[in-house]
Amino acid sequence: ETGVTQTPRHLVMGMTNKKSLKCEQHLGHNAMYWYKQSAKKPLELMFVYNFKEQTENNSVPSRFSPECPNSSHLFLHLHTLQPEDSALYLCASSQDRGGGHEQFFGPGTRLTVL
Amino acid sequence: GQNIDQPTEMTATEGAIVQINCTYQTSGFNGLFWYQQHAGEAPTFLSYNVLDGLEEKGRFSSFLSRSKGYSYLLLKELQMKDSASYLCAVRTLMDSNYQLIWGAGTKLIIKP
Repeated sequence: ETGVTQTPRHLVMGMTNKKSLKCEQHLGHNAMYWYKQSAKKPLELMFVYNFKEQTENNSVPSRFSPECPNSSHLFLHLHTLQPEDSALYLCASSQDRGGGHEQFFGPGTRLTVL
Repeated sequence: GQNIDQPTEMTATEGAIVQINCTYQTSGFNGLFWYQQHAGEAPTFLSYNVLDGLEEKGRFSSFLSRSKGYSYLLLKELQMKDSASYLCAVRTLMDSNYQLIWGAGTKLIIKP
């Protein structure tokens, strides 16, 4: 247990569906992250929130929409996804966005887009 | 550009020693992390190096040479549970912004 939980663990959706991924951290951290992990590729940083404010959006398509209602919760809203969006989506948190702090990861949501 | 290279896959024998290498070409180097990720699980933090030299933590050690842009993770007395992917990540600091640049990971297979 890393102190970061994600639900659901597995999700299968059609291209016209709308779904949301949820992340919760119990570590008192102030920074939260969404990553995409595809097979044999480096982790791709998607979004960063620091003290509930979005500080980074790494050219992510608008069909992915993040939401951070408070420092403990992070959502990723999905709509009209493409099959190439199938991947493992990892949430992480750290003390803050500054240096010197490792990131703690959740177990991920395995997403399959049909 | 920013780039990290590590082998895609390695195989080792239970009880042996294995070294996983990571080379990087980045600007604004500010530290290097190693993470372990078992299949279907979260990546977990193993080590952090910011100065040259060897950091030892039980069966695992991590080495850094900043002048060579090179790090390795050394695993001793291998156990079957060490079968996992090992991710190298470099933190950079540019214009007061920290970034983490990730390698694609090395899948380590331990055989009896």
